Amino acid sequence: EDQVTQSPEALRLQEGESSSLNCSYTVSGLRGLFWYRQDPGKGPEFLFTLYSAGEEKEKERLKATLTKKESFLHITAPKPEDSATYLCAVQARLTTGSARQLTFGSGTQLTVLP
Amino acid sequence: KAGVTQTPRYLIKTRGQQVTLSCSPISGHRSVSWYQQTPGQGLQFLFEYFSETQRNKGNFPGRFSGRQFSNSRSEMNVSTLELGDSALYLCASSLSTLRTPETQYFGPGTRLLVL
Repeated sequence: EDQVTQSPEALRLQEGESSSLNCSYTVSGLRGLFWYRQDPGKGPEFLFTLYSAGEEKEKERLKATLTKKESFLHITAPKPEDSATYLCAVQARLTTGSARQLTFGSGTQLTVLP
Repeated sequence: KAGVTQTPRYLIKTRGQQVTLSCSPISGHRSVSWYQQTPGQGLQFLFEYFSETQRNKGNFPGRFSGRQFSNSRSEMNVSTLELGDSALYLCASSLSTLRTPETQYFGPGTRLLVL
């Protein structure tokens, strides 16, 4: 069974204080790992797709990295508008029974204080 | 390009009733997936449709069903509502190619409250 564990559950940072969020996963053949941002009462907003160990993607203050067992979302010099819940999800290979569905972690609730 | 749209955005129902939610995918996307999000269980996969056929199904009771139309629009139905069905129901669409990971793009969700 595919599993995703995110840590920490909640994180409070001062504006400009860089940090990292962790996503550990077990999956029967990784087809893709996804990071989403979710604001209260809204649907998840796509951030990054990663699919091979060593891959890195960047967008503004965010950088996502991937190893064979985990992914990190690095936030550099965050601003209050970066406050949100960050969700990690995995997608298994097409040959598996769970193909195409996303298995989500429980998320990290990030608060950036001004 | 317009994003995924879902209607209605909010619903209040009573136990025993049934409800139908609608989802219009991004233009050109042929795969539609549905997820349930609750504070206790997080985001859980319900089912996925492609070319009007259900390709994959999560671990939900048969009260949860769906369908997809020829224009890729999808509906999900919940019959005999229970209090525990109160949740945010999210629809996601993707291109569904075989070559790359299928990035799914989510709609704003339908907030269902069962009284």
